[in-house]
Amino acid sequence: QLQLQESGPGLVKPSETLSLTCTVSGGSISSSTYYWGWIRQPPGKGLEWIGNIVYNGSAYYSPSFKTRVTISLDTSKDQLSLKLSSVTAADTAVYYCAAEWVGFYHYMDVWGRGTTVIVSS
Amino acid sequence: EIVLTQSPDTLSLSPGERATLSCRASQSISSSYLAWYQQKPGQAPRLLIYGASSRATGIPDRISGSGSETDFTLTINRLEPEDSAVYYCQQYGSSPLVTFGGGTKVEIK
Repeated sequence: QLQLQESGPGLVKPSETLSLTCTVSGGSISSSTYYWGWIRQPPGKGLEWIGNIVYNGSAYYSPSFKTRVTISLDTSKDQLSLKLSSVTAADTAVYYCAAEWVGFYHYMDVWGRGTTVIVSS
Repeated sequence: EIVLTQSPDTLSLSPGERATLSCRASQSISSSYLAWYQQKPGQAPRLLIYGASSRATGIPDRISGSGSETDFTLTINRLEPEDSAVYYCQQYGSSPLVTFGGGTKVEIK
C-alpha cells in the first residue's frame, strides 16, 4: 500500500532555504492517479496547503508561498521535494507530504507522518 | 479566494452524544471537492469524508457528511472517547487550489 515518508534538516537558519524530501513507496510517483502535495502546520495552528505537483512535473502553488517555493519530482527515486527560500521563524512547522486524489473528487487519502522544521539561528 | 469557516471552535460533549460540526464557504463550491479530516495530537490528518458525503475506507457509519454549495456539516453520532480530535474541512478547485478550514476541536467529557 502507498506510503509516504518526509525527511530533511530539522533546523534551518533564518534567511536560508528549507529543503525537504518525501519518499514514496508502495506505488510510483509517475502514476497519473495522484497529485503530490505539501502541507504544513505551525505549532498549535491549523493546516496550510503549500502546493502540489503532478506526474508530468507541472506544479501549483498557494499564492501565500508562490514567490518562495519550488516543488519538484525525482521519478528515478520516487521522491518529491520542497524548497522554501528566505525562511523566517514563521516557517517553523510540521511539514507533511500527501497524495492528492484528483478526479471527480479531490481528497488526500495518504499522508506522511510529518517532519518538524524549526527556523532559528 | 475561498475561505472556509468552521464552527464552533470547540465542542465539549459526553460519550454517546452527537457532534455536529459546521464548515461554511465564502462562496459556492462543488460538493465533489469538499473533504473532512480528523487529526489527533502528534498524528497526521486522516481522511474521513470526501465528496461532502462519501465515507473513506474504514470510516464507521456513525460518521457522516452532508451539505452543498456554501454549507457543509460533519456529524458524529454516538460519540466515543476515540473521537476526541480536531476536525478540518478542505476544499479544492478555487484559488488557492486547496484550502483548509480553521478546525473544530471535539472534546469528550
